[in-house]
Parts: sequence; structure tokens; C-alpha cells
Amino acid sequence: GAGVSQSPSNKVTEKGKDVELRCDPISGHTALYWYRQSLGQGLEFLIYFQGNSAPDKSGLPSDRFSAERTGGSVSTLTIQRTQQEDSAVYLCASSSIRVSGELFFGEGSRLTVL
Amino acid sequence: GEDVEQSLFLSVREGDSSVINCTYTDSSSTYLYWYKQEPGAGLQLLTYIFSNMDMKQDQRLTVLLNKKDKHLSLRIADTQTGDSAIYFCAEGESDKLIFGTGTRLQVFP
Repeated sequence: GAGVSQSPSNKVTEKGKDVELRCDPISGHTALYWYRQSLGQGLEFLIYFQGNSAPDKSGLPSDRFSAERTGGSVSTLTIQRTQQEDSAVYLCASSSIRVSGELFFGEGSRLTVL
Repeated sequence: GEDVEQSLFLSVREGDSSVINCTYTDSSSTYLYWYKQEPGAGLQLLTYIFSNMDMKQDQRLTVLLNKKDKHLSLRIADTQTGDSAIYFCAEGESDKLIFGTGTRLQVFP
């Protein structure tokens, strides 16, 4: 597709369940980012992938959060044993290293933990 | 660590100018950015400014950068209802942009 695609767009889950959020970046973009958007909290950096380099995981809030990027393309963010405070919109973005700083965002996956 | 701060809300009348302010802490960023998020959509890059510039103008948008005070502002001239959105200031390098909390701009007739 032409843009960054995320799925599911909405996810409601029960506390304690695991969830997987998927991101399909723009073809050819080497960099992929996950951010979390909570009400009144702005965008919180979670993790960054660049090519074949080791990802920057410095923003992951706990060890319940993990992400992988297969084949340098699609990425999955996994949240284990979800908690109510995990409720947020999870945004994925990709960028081309040739255009520094312009991130192309997906529409996000809204996660609600009951 | 890096920190970017913005006020949360701004309300303006249609046709007036809007000024959205941002302060940041990391003085080493090459670029500073303004992103716009319309309701139900992802963020889109609105404009950016090189750190060695003081001002950048792009149609109705004017970005002012005061490096000494680490202050960035976005001025929207002749604000329209279609400008209603959340505006995020961001700084950093391409490997990690740090975003502010976002300023919700509401334009009323």
C-alpha cells in the first residue's frame, strides 16, 4: 500500500491477556518506530528499528512489552499480561533515511484493556 | 533526558492568527518539527526548521526558533476550521524523535 498500515484498528481485551499489534511500513523504508499515545501524555517513544541494526528498545515501559521486525519489513508489537494502564493508541511510523526526520505514521491501533 | 513541553489547549476565532508554543531541552538537534494530527488520523509532518535558522515561512505557516531560549513556535495565519487538530512539536534526530504532549487547537466561527 501507499501508506503505513496498522492492524487491528481497535482492540478490546481483558486484563491479563496477551495482545499483538501489527505494522506494515511503507515499502523501502528502512526505519520503523513504535510510539504510544495516551490521553494528555503526548507521544511516548517505545522502540526503533533501523535496517539490520539492533533495535533501540530504550522506551519500552516494562518487560511485558516486546517487538520484532521480520525481514526488515512488517513489525509486531506484543504486550503480555495486559494491564489497564496499557490502554492507549499505539502508533507505528516508518521513514526513509534519505529524508531525515519525516516520519510517516499509521492511523494507530487503539487498545482498551478492561 | 530530552523533554519537549507544550500547552495542551488553544482556542481561536476563525480568521485570527494562532500561535502554538513549544520548549525543548536538547540543543543538539539538527532539525525541529511540527506535526499535525487530525481527528482519527495519524500524525503528518507539517513543517520543519533547521537548527541554524531563526525563521521559516511556508504559506500560512511561520516557524520561529529561538535557540538561546530553546523555544519553538508555530504561527498559523488566517486560521480556518480545517486547522482544528492536535499539533505536536518534536526534536531529535531521525533515529528517535521526542514529541511534546501536543496542543489541541480549536477554531470556532
